[in-house]
Amino acid sequence: QVQLVQSGAEVKTPGASVRVSCKASGYPFHNFHIHWVRQAPGQGLEWIGIINTLSASTKNAQNFQGRVSLTRDTSTTTVYMELSNLRSDDTALYYCARGTWYSDDYWGQGTLLTVSS
Amino acid sequence: QSALAQPASVSGSPGQSITISCTGTSSDVGGYNYVSWYQQHPGKAPKLIIYDVFYRPSGVSNRFSGSKSGNTASLTISGLQAEDEADYYCSSYTSRPTVVFGGGTKLTVL
Repeated sequence: QVQLVQSGAEVKTPGASVRVSCKASGYPFHNFHIHWVRQAPGQGLEWIGIINTLSASTKNAQNFQGRVSLTRDTSTTTVYMELSNLRSDDTALYYCARGTWYSDDYWGQGTLLTVSS
Repeated sequence: QSALAQPASVSGSPGQSITISCTGTSSDVGGYNYVSWYQQHPGKAPKLIIYDVFYRPSGVSNRFSGSKSGNTASLTISGLQAEDEADYYCSSYTSRPTVVFGGGTKLTVL
């Protein structure tokens, strides 16, 4: 069955960087893109970016330009999101999700990132 | 990119129908037939219930339906059930290209 398993919760200080992983299994890895979406406590969904798992090309939301890097390792079918220069308002639940450019049919369990001094 | 506009909350009684709107611009909702809807129960990951404006993934109840007119997409839930109480989010592909979500709508089943 399709599974997206994300890495565990992280606690970081302002200015630090974090890398969250998302291991995909149960389907041909290169057949789908991976999106990253976050949800601040009690808030809505915010799109971060997308990686084409075949070409490794990426596109990020303007709000994250220069701070987010999306990569993939085809040998382990794992996608990574690195977010740098963390701020307190980056505290959120971060999801990876499998899909086309237009919709996501399977989601990871989420990774809680807490940014606090 | 501003979030798509959704009502903050809607409510309905069991058996009734409700509609949630999702308003964007010609650069997103109005420009492409790539609107999706997600259902999110508390503490759970979002679940895709509508894609490409009106298609339902396998296993999603036919009580959920989607449509679009101009820059506004809509999700209709017919025959409301208690289990439908959740947050609902629309999303759209945009011209940048990026993806933009709506602010979310909390559905209360009275």
